[in-house]
Amino acid sequence: EAGVVQSPRYKIIEKKQPVAFWCNPISGHNTLYWYRQNLGQGPELLIRYENEEAVDDSQLPKDRFSAERLKGVDSTLKIQPAELGDSAVYLCASSPIAAGAYEQYFGPGTRLTVT
Amino acid sequence: AQSVTQLGSHVSVSEGALVLLRCNYSSSVPPYLFWYVQYPNQGLQLLLKYTTGATLVKGINGFEAEFKKSETSFHLTKPSAHMSDAAEYFCAVSHTGANSKLTFGKGITLSVRP
Repeated sequence: EAGVVQSPRYKIIEKKQPVAFWCNPISGHNTLYWYRQNLGQGPELLIRYENEEAVDDSQLPKDRFSAERLKGVDSTLKIQPAELGDSAVYLCASSPIAAGAYEQYFGPGTRLTVT
Repeated sequence: AQSVTQLGSHVSVSEGALVLLRCNYSSSVPPYLFWYVQYPNQGLQLLLKYTTGATLVKGINGFEAEFKKSETSFHLTKPSAHMSDAAEYFCAVSHTGANSKLTFGKGITLSVRP
C-alpha cells in the first residue's frame, strides 16, 4: 500500500514569493491534515479536512495561507507571499474516516527555506 | 486544553544500554497518548499508542511505554539500544473522538554511541 505522498520534498524561495505544496493521501482515507514543524519543535496542526470540507482551520494564518482539497482526495497548501518565518517542514497526514487522531499516517514532508 | 512536556532535547546512550525518554502530559479529559519516531528527512512513524485498557503498551522495534495516571506520565523505554534507534522521538496527546487533535511535544533526539 502506498503511503502519503508529498511534493516537492525541498523548496527554496525568496521572501514575498508564492509557494505551493501538494499532498496525495493514502487511498480511501477521508481525513487529511496539514502540519507545520518548525526547527526543534513538534508538528503543529494547520488545517484538517473531512472529505472536501475544512473542519478545523483555526490555526491556519489566513492572511497568507490557503488550502484546498478538491474532490476530497489530493490537497494543496499555498503560501502567498512567503515570509522568512515560514521556513519549516510542512507535513501532510491522513487517516481513515472516524479514526481521528489515533490513526494518522504521515508523509515525508516538504522542507521550505525562505531566503 | 492539552499539552505535552518532553524535558531536555537530547539523550545519548551506549549501544546495548537502556533507553528512557520521558513524557508528561496535561489533559482535562482522559487522554490518548502516542509516541512517534522521526528519522532524518522522513515523516513521523507511530511507535505505540495508549487509548484504554492495559497501561503498559508495547510497540514496534522493542519499545514500550507505561501510562501512569497518578504521575501524568507516559515514558518510553527500550531495554537495549541499537544504533538504528538514533532518531527524534515525539510524544503526543489526544483524546477520544473523531474530532480529536494531536498535540505534540517538542521532541527528543536520541543518539546511540557504539
